[in-house]
Amino acid sequence: EAGVVQSPRYKIIEKKQPVAFWCNPISGHNTLYWYLQNLGQGPELLIRYENEEAVDDSQLPKDRFSAERLKGVDSTLKIQPAELGDSAVYLCASSARTSGADTQYFGPGTRLTVL
Amino acid sequence: DQQVKQNSPSLSVQEGRISILNCDYTNSMFDYFLWYKKYPAEGPTFLISISSIKDKNEDGRFTVFLNKSAKHLSLHIVPSQPGDSAVYFCAAYNDYKLSFGAGTTVTVRA
Repeated sequence: EAGVVQSPRYKIIEKKQPVAFWCNPISGHNTLYWYLQNLGQGPELLIRYENEEAVDDSQLPKDRFSAERLKGVDSTLKIQPAELGDSAVYLCASSARTSGADTQYFGPGTRLTVL
Repeated sequence: DQQVKQNSPSLSVQEGRISILNCDYTNSMFDYFLWYKKYPAEGPTFLISISSIKDKNEDGRFTVFLNKSAKHLSLHIVPSQPGDSAVYFCAAYNDYKLSFGAGTTVTVRA
């Protein structure tokens, strides 16, 4: 079974430029998450989708960040314009939303460097 | 507000010995706790979990202990192997949300 796929793996841009990250979750997983991971820290949730609905975007900086999951499968996270402080790893995860602990499966992440 | 804390950023252990990783939390509403393992340039992978109604869960070389009164959990790896060298994240689950600690880097020495 294929895992969570993310692209690109690495991205270098200049500040004020736009950037987009793509995620394909594990087949059959209805719940999709985007996390931000700064160096030396754990992942922090940006947004959670249940199918195509964003059910928790309270931590998403909506002035510059946006996300979509139009058909309830793939998702795109966008930053426009990027700032120096956005340099981090952006992780996508998915889960099957069964009862009990929400075991989330992570992709390899996109490492963003803003110059 | 850091609800999950891993106070040891690194741990070095000899191959074959026990690795003990610690994690503290502040929110008594967490109902599951999980450990994730991360290799460089990869995403975190699920390792083991424990329900808040349990005090121990074991899976092969990995055992997680939960002390609810102290709001503390630990991961024991016995025996430690070179492939265990990685960053380990403690995470706590509540209300569809995972809160992660900052991670502990484990190095297993030959």
